[in-house]
Amino acid sequence: KAGVTQTPRYLIKTRGQQVTLSCSPISGHRSVSWYQQTPGQGLQFLFEYFSETQRNKGNFPGRFSGRQFSNSRSEMNVSTLELGDSALYLCASSSLDRGIGNIQYFGAGTRLSVL
Amino acid sequence: AQSVTQLDSQVPVFEEAPVELRCNYSSSVSVYLFWYVQYPNQGLQLLLKYLSGSTLVKGINGFEAEFNKSQTSFHLRKPSVHISDTAEYFCAVSDKAGTALIFGKGTTLSVSS
Repeated sequence: KAGVTQTPRYLIKTRGQQVTLSCSPISGHRSVSWYQQTPGQGLQFLFEYFSETQRNKGNFPGRFSGRQFSNSRSEMNVSTLELGDSALYLCASSSLDRGIGNIQYFGAGTRLSVL
Repeated sequence: AQSVTQLDSQVPVFEEAPVELRCNYSSSVSVYLFWYVQYPNQGLQLLLKYLSGSTLVKGINGFEAEFNKSQTSFHLRKPSVHISDTAEYFCAVSDKAGTALIFGKGTTLSVSS
């Protein structure tokens, strides 16, 4: 079974631009979560989608948004990029609804550099 | 609110020595606990998890961890490390809903010969 696939692996953008990152979950997984990893703040939860609905959201500004499609693939969008948005963005998928056994499996990430 | 503290940011050890990476958590509700490993330029790989039952859990690559509810700890151990274990290790917690992981700051394990 293929793992979580994130595209692209690397991105370079300039301040003020917007960017869209893509995540394909493991086949059969319906929950997709996004995380931001930076040297200063570590790993922080952005949001989680299940059956095309955002179920949970971390403490990030509205410039960060996401969506999930009917095939469970997910995208996240960052508008009006700032230098501080430079980070590794990780996507994780899990197979079960809330509750015991909701294990998250991570993709390799998209490294975003904002110049 | 939940939080995770990894007590050591860096742990240098020699090959074949034992190692313990320490993790403490804070939560007002029952939690699930996880250890993930991250190799350079890669995502996170699940090492092991505690959901319920036996407090000693075994994971991949010879790692194990013990859940201690009274001390709110979930330390990771390996009796003999290899050069290939050099990586960053993250302890994480989620509530029973399990939709968001709260991570510690990570511990860099450096194994030398």
